[in-house]
Amino acid sequence: DAGVTQSPTHLIKTRGQQVTLRCSPKSGHDTVSWYQQALGQGPQFIFQYYEEEERQRGNFPDRFSGHQFPNYSSELNVNALLLGDSALYLCASSMNLGSETQYFGPGTRLLVL
Amino acid sequence: AQSVTQPDIHITVSEGASLELRCNYSYGATPYLFWYVQSPGQGLQLLLKYFSGDTLVQGIKGFEAEFKRSQSSFNLRKPSVHWSDAAEYFCAVAGATNKLIFGTGTLLAVQP
Repeated sequence: DAGVTQSPTHLIKTRGQQVTLRCSPKSGHDTVSWYQQALGQGPQFIFQYYEEEERQRGNFPDRFSGHQFPNYSSELNVNALLLGDSALYLCASSMNLGSETQYFGPGTRLLVL
Repeated sequence: AQSVTQPDIHITVSEGASLELRCNYSYGATPYLFWYVQSPGQGLQLLLKYFSGDTLVQGIKGFEAEFKRSQSSFNLRKPSVHWSDAAEYFCAVAGATNKLIFGTGTLLAVQP
């Protein structure tokens, strides 16, 4: 049973560019959440998708957007990249949107130059 | 406001010694509480969780945690630390909407 997978593992972009990160949830999971973890910090909630809709959003600007597909996989898009967007982006999956355990992927390390 | 505080940024223990990592939370409703571990450059692995019931919960790798409502605490313990336990540990709280709020983490170093 595959766990949560994310691609790519590492990415280097320059300021102003756009980036798309991808996540496939654990088998049987239908809810995907995205977190940003800056160096030396705990993960910060970006948003959560369920039934192809954004259900919750953290304190992140509109430059951060996402999508969930019918197969429950998800994308995180960041436009107009800033140096401060450099971080580890973590995807977590769970079941039924409720208070179920979230399982995390290995993350995508984004470096913005 | 909802928040999690991990007062210890860095802890060093000797291999075989006992460990306690502190976590205090602020949450208006009944919280769901978690401990995750992160090895360098890796994602987060769930160690244990508390949803309800027995306030002493057992997790993987010999870890346990105790929920104390009166102290708003959920401290993580292990009776005998192994060198492989060196990692960063995050406490997190969530409500019914499953949005995790994390502490800033405690980095554990293990001396031989």
